[in-house]
Amino acid sequence: SQQGEEDPQALSIQEGENATMNCSYKTSINNLQWYRQNSGRGLVHLILIRSNEREKHSGRLRVTLDTSKKSSSLLITASRAADTASYFCATASKTSYDKVIFGPGTSLSVIP
Amino acid sequence: DVKVTQSSRYLVKRTGEKVFLECVQDMDHENMFWYRQDPGLGLRLIYFSYDVKMKEKGDIPEGYSVSREKKERFSLILESASTNQTSMYLCASSLGNMNTEAFFGQGTRLTVV
Repeated sequence: SQQGEEDPQALSIQEGENATMNCSYKTSINNLQWYRQNSGRGLVHLILIRSNEREKHSGRLRVTLDTSKKSSSLLITASRAADTASYFCATASKTSYDKVIFGPGTSLSVIP
Repeated sequence: DVKVTQSSRYLVKRTGEKVFLECVQDMDHENMFWYRQDPGLGLRLIYFSYDVKMKEKGDIPEGYSVSREKKERFSLILESASTNQTSMYLCASSLGNMNTEAFFGQGTRLTVV
């Protein structure tokens, strides 16, 4: 079963706008991560937020985590055409061996 | 930089063939993972390994096996390839011990005909 579920499935915005993607999960986690995948390539790690953290920033990325609601959001500010990609949240559960489980992803299109 | 290398970018195999997908990482990571990625389904975990010779089933292990004889290498084996195993296969590694940032290979697009 899916641990993380992203919302929306697809998002299309104009360059310069902000993009917000959400992720919900089901069980207790050690941390939550966001990844980006450009078409046909492997995934690239963007940011990791631990279960005891509420917000984290990295450049134009802002991630929030609400463990009471079992949800996270990824905000990309001042989007660029190069941000066009699929974005995945992934959780490492509190079960053994740090198994990393991915959601189905959000496909982001940034229109120049 | 961490490097995770998958042996093939594209692969075409016939139904019934035994297929080996190889993955090598160069950062002494404890954990290694095999995922398959299909449109609309995201990444699904097939198997993972947290140590040499150790393996754990993921969500969709049926039809697959794995081998981890050396820490840096994690192989995915399709014992008898079938057309429903046509997919993108992604290998990843992570340090483990709750430091779970995963590093991915470039992917192998396998077509079974």
